Amino acid sequence: ILNVEQSPQSLHVQEGDSTNFTCSFPSSNFYALHWYRWETAKSPEALFVMTLNGDEKKKGRISATLNTKEGYSYLYIKGSQPEDSATYLCAFSDTGFQKLVFGTGTRLLVSP
Amino acid sequence: DAGVIQSPRHEVTEMGQEVTLRCKPISGHDYLFWYRQTMMRGLELLIYFNNNVPIDDSGMPEDRFSAKMPNASFSTLKIQPSEPRDSAVYFCASSLGIVSGNTIYFGEGSWLTVV
Repeated sequence: ILNVEQSPQSLHVQEGDSTNFTCSFPSSNFYALHWYRWETAKSPEALFVMTLNGDEKKKGRISATLNTKEGYSYLYIKGSQPEDSATYLCAFSDTGFQKLVFGTGTRLLVSP
Repeated sequence: DAGVIQSPRHEVTEMGQEVTLRCKPISGHDYLFWYRQTMMRGLELLIYFNNNVPIDDSGMPEDRFSAKMPNASFSTLKIQPSEPRDSAVYFCASSLGIVSGNTIYFGEGSWLTVV
């Protein structure tokens, strides 16, 4: 059974703080690692798909890194804003996107 | 594109009743997924279809759950009879064919409460 773990479970920061979360996944038979952002009552939105060890992806103030050898990915948010408040989900696959295994997410709250 | 469309958005039903959740995938996508989101277990894949054919239903919790995809633009997830432990957010998602780097697109979810 594939196990994807995310930490911390929740995080409360002040506007302007930079923050990061961790996603741990099995390091064998790696295929892809996905990051999603989910605001309650909306659709989870894809942020990044990473497939290569050492990959770094960036989208505005959000960036992610990938280490497939040790089985972890970091998501960074620089200068957090209240609109960044959401649950951030990572998902791992060893066979393709058809069988994504999701972590339970990190719930971020950014206070003004 | 309108995105993945799910209905109903919210449903409250009594234990023992039948629940039917509906999904319209993004036009042209040949993969369709049903996920369930709970606080304890996060997002779990229930079943997925490729070209309207169920490929893997190993995540379907038990016989009370069934899913169909009669055509490329419609799918249903049915729970009969429903139980309080089925209360969750049910997401439908769709995607294009098997290409490395492809992602899946989610609907806004159906929030189910069984009392």
